[in-house]
Amino acid sequence: DGGITQSPKYLFRKEGQNVTLSCEQNLNHDAMYWYRQDPGQGLRLIYYSQIVNDFQKGDIAEGYSVSREKKESFPLTVTSAQKNPTAFYLCASRQKGNTGELFFGEGSRLTVL
Amino acid sequence: AQSVTQPDIHITVSEGASLELRCNYSYGATPYLFWYVQSPGQGLQLLLKYFSGDTLVQGIKGFEAEFKRSQSSFNLRKPSVHWSDAAEYFCAVGGGYQKVTFGTGTKLQVIP
Repeated sequence: DGGITQSPKYLFRKEGQNVTLSCEQNLNHDAMYWYRQDPGQGLRLIYYSQIVNDFQKGDIAEGYSVSREKKESFPLTVTSAQKNPTAFYLCASRQKGNTGELFFGEGSRLTVL
Repeated sequence: AQSVTQPDIHITVSEGASLELRCNYSYGATPYLFWYVQSPGQGLQLLLKYFSGDTLVQGIKGFEAEFKRSQSSFNLRKPSVHWSDAAEYFCAVGGGYQKVTFGTGTKLQVIP
């Protein structure tokens, strides 16, 4: 079945460590997105990519980095520069230029100890 | 800049009662509008979407929404709520080449 796979589902990190969240899709979608979700704040856009080897900062990109070397993959690195990394992270994809909706993964919950 | 406002943080309804969740948006052109639902610890599932045409759109699970350009609103409705509808609901705006912006969500509690 086509879909978006995020891993790991739960992740614990010590302060000062970088961590990478995986996002893989087999929907053949061009565009991929990373959102951060905190209670009461909805979803905030971190980074998005409309095509391979290109990506743009969203509203809260500081302390995060991404890469888009393959169409199927859009990993997110939470760096030690991110002041409050504990959150629920959601990856999504959709066809570029399409009025279609975003398709979401099941999310990754990161906890900084 | 585009934005979405969901004024109700939490709503409680009785099972079998009707439901309306409010959503107001700000967007510079013809908006693409969405409603998503999220169960705890899960991703988001699309309920319905509006791009053009009929301003009353039907979605899954018996939900519908009405686009009102004059009020910049896209409210979600359901005639009779089921206990399984308890979840968090998000309104979103954006589409095409634009980023998608989400509201802060409305948590729905359903009581017997």
